[in-house]
Amino acid sequence: AQSVAQPEDQVNVAEGNPLTVKCTYSVSGNPYLFWYVQYPNRGLQFLLKYITGDNLVKGSYGFEAEFNKSQTSFHLKKPSALVSDSALYFCAVRAPYSGGGADGLTFGKGTHLIIQP
Amino acid sequence: DAMVIQNPRYQVTQFGKPVTLSCSQTLNHNVMYWYQQKSSQAPKLLFHYYDKDFNNEADTPDNFQSRRPNTSFCFLDIRSPGLGDAAMYLCATSRDQARGWEQYFGPGTRLTVT
Repeated sequence: AQSVAQPEDQVNVAEGNPLTVKCTYSVSGNPYLFWYVQYPNRGLQFLLKYITGDNLVKGSYGFEAEFNKSQTSFHLKKPSALVSDSALYFCAVRAPYSGGGADGLTFGKGTHLIIQP
Repeated sequence: DAMVIQNPRYQVTQFGKPVTLSCSQTLNHNVMYWYQQKSSQAPKLLFHYYDKDFNNEADTPDNFQSRRPNTSFCFLDIRSPGLGDAAMYLCATSRDQARGWEQYFGPGTRLTVT
């Protein structure tokens, strides 16, 4: 079975500073990895994904993530945080397609990112 | 714009009274998913449709059913809602393997059970 761990319930960062939201995963085979953001009472918005290729993935709103296979990690990063980045962030994993159908995503429990002015 | 639409955004039902949540999509994706998200928790997959093929998660209660009459629409039926079923229900779609099954989410329906 696949799983995702987000070890921090909350991350506090001052505006303008770099931010990192941590994610580690467990899955058989090469993973499909995703980051989503959720604002209060809203659905999830896609930020970025890793399928294959370059380990550094760039996504929406200036976010990027680095895939590290040896450490089974996919940490979300941004060089300079904005107050508007404050939200709930979910890391998710999907096992490689096996031809048996489109399984859903397994999500981590989420990390609240708080950017302080 | 192509999108995933959920109606209603807020639904109040009484304990034991059947309720149906609706999802539609203009993306023409062949896969549609229903997730349940309780307060401060991760979304949990209930089931999904791959075209007309229904796939139920092993731990999804029998109280939850789904229908997909066509590509665009998918419904979540809760036959006898309990207080523990109060949650945000998220509908999502995805298209194909080449895109890594990237999922597009609707805004969600927040269900309250009184």
